[in-house]
Amino acid sequence: QLQLQESGPGLVKPSETLSLTCTVSGGSISSSSYYWGWIRQPPGKGLEWIGSIYYSGSTYYNPSLKSRVTISVDTSKNQFSLKLSSVTAADTAVYYCARLPLAAVIFDYWGQGTLVTVSS
Amino acid sequence: QSALTQPASVSGSPGQSITISCTGTSSDVGSYNLVSWYQQHPGKAPKLMIYEVSKRPSGVSNRFSGSKSGNTASLTISGLQAEDEADYYCCSYAGSSTFLVFGGGTKLTVL
Repeated sequence: QLQLQESGPGLVKPSETLSLTCTVSGGSISSSSYYWGWIRQPPGKGLEWIGSIYYSGSTYYNPSLKSRVTISVDTSKNQFSLKLSSVTAADTAVYYCARLPLAAVIFDYWGQGTLVTVSS
Repeated sequence: QSALTQPASVSGSPGQSITISCTGTSSDVGSYNLVSWYQQHPGKAPKLMIYEVSKRPSGVSNRFSGSKSGNTASLTISGLQAEDEADYYCCSYAGSSTFLVFGGGTKLTVL
């Protein structure tokens, strides 16, 4: 059974860089059939797609976040990572990682999510 | 403001049917049959309920159905049950530059 697990600091200071890693188990991140993505959800608000990456390193980013986001992949560790720079309180959210089958452009497997708070 | 527009809330009694709308544009919902719906219970990760407008993943009840007309997609839940009370989000492919957009979410209350 495929599992995804987010990890990283739960507290980040304003203007610093938020860094999270998603570890994939029960399946290979190098599969040619899937993208891997990050989605966030501010407290009490809706879902926002951040970006997605293919095992080759090809990426798609939300245009509204593109200038601050970097998503990378480490196939040797079966992990992919998110970096969001120059964070503010508005970036406080639960961050989810998820799998995207290429053909359907959906999120079929999700991590449990991790809350990241931006505060000094 | 979300790219796709959903009603903030809907409600229904057990056994009834409800429909949640998701209105986009000709650049997303109207151009691609790649609309999906997610159910989210409090404190939980979203769960895929419908994909490619009207397809159900294995294990999802056939009480859930999806459709699309023009720039508006819809999720219908028939035979409402207490366990259906949750937030529902639509999502659409929006082309190679924007890629993906979500709706703002709809809170379903089972009375």
